[in-house]
Amino acid sequence: EDQVTQSPEALRLQEGESSSLNCSYTVSGLRGLFWYRQDPGKGPEFLFTLYSAGEEKEKERLKATLTKKESFLHITAPKPEDSATYLCAHEGSARQLTFGSGTQLTVLP
Amino acid sequence: DAGVIQSPRHEVTEMGQEVTLRCKPISGHNSLFWYRQTMMRGLELLIYFNNNVPIDDSGMPEDRFSAKMPNASFSTLKIQPSEPRDSAVYFCASTPRDRTYEQYFGPGTRLTVT
Repeated sequence: EDQVTQSPEALRLQEGESSSLNCSYTVSGLRGLFWYRQDPGKGPEFLFTLYSAGEEKEKERLKATLTKKESFLHITAPKPEDSATYLCAHEGSARQLTFGSGTQLTVLP
Repeated sequence: DAGVIQSPRHEVTEMGQEVTLRCKPISGHNSLFWYRQTMMRGLELLIYFNNNVPIDDSGMPEDRFSAKMPNASFSTLKIQPSEPRDSAVYFCASTPRDRTYEQYFGPGTRLTVT
C-alpha cells in the first residue's frame, strides 16, 4: 500500500535556527512528490513539486530535496511567519494526491 | 482572481439533518476536488471531477455522501442524514488543466454535527 509518512509531528525552533522536515514514502511508481503549506484556518497552499531523485527546488528560506525514499524540506534561518503546518503528498496512478499527516512548525521570535 | 470560494464557512447542525456545502472553483480550472480534514485522519480525498464529470468517488465514506458538479463554476457536497462523526473541515480545491498536483484550495467549511 502506498504510504507517505512525515516526521516530526511537531517542531519548535528559535528564529534563525535552521532545520529539516522529513517525508518518507513507499510508493510504487512515484509520479511526483509535492509540498504544501497550511496556515491555521486556511486551506493548504502549493509550494513545490519534485519528480526525480536528486532534484531540488527553492523558495525564499525553503528548499525541498528528493531521494529515492524520502524528501526533505530544509528551512534556513526561519522567521516567525514560517510557522505553519507543512504537508507532503504524492500523486498516485489515478492522478490524485495522497497527503501525509503534516509537520506543525512553530518558529519563536 | 477571487480564488476558490466555499460556503458556508461554518455550519452547525443536528444529527439527522441534511447538509449542503458549496464550492465555486477558479475560472478556467478544469478539475475540482473535495477533501475532508480531521485531526485523526488528516486530509482525505473524497471525490474529484474532471471537466464536470466525477472521475473517482472511492473516498466517499458511504451512501450518505453525494457530490454534484452541474457546470464548470459550481459544485456541491451533500450529506444526508448527517452524523456527529461527519464533523470536520471540508475543503474544495481546483486545478489548472494538466497540473492536478498544483491544487488551489478554498478556505474550507467547518462542519459541526451535534
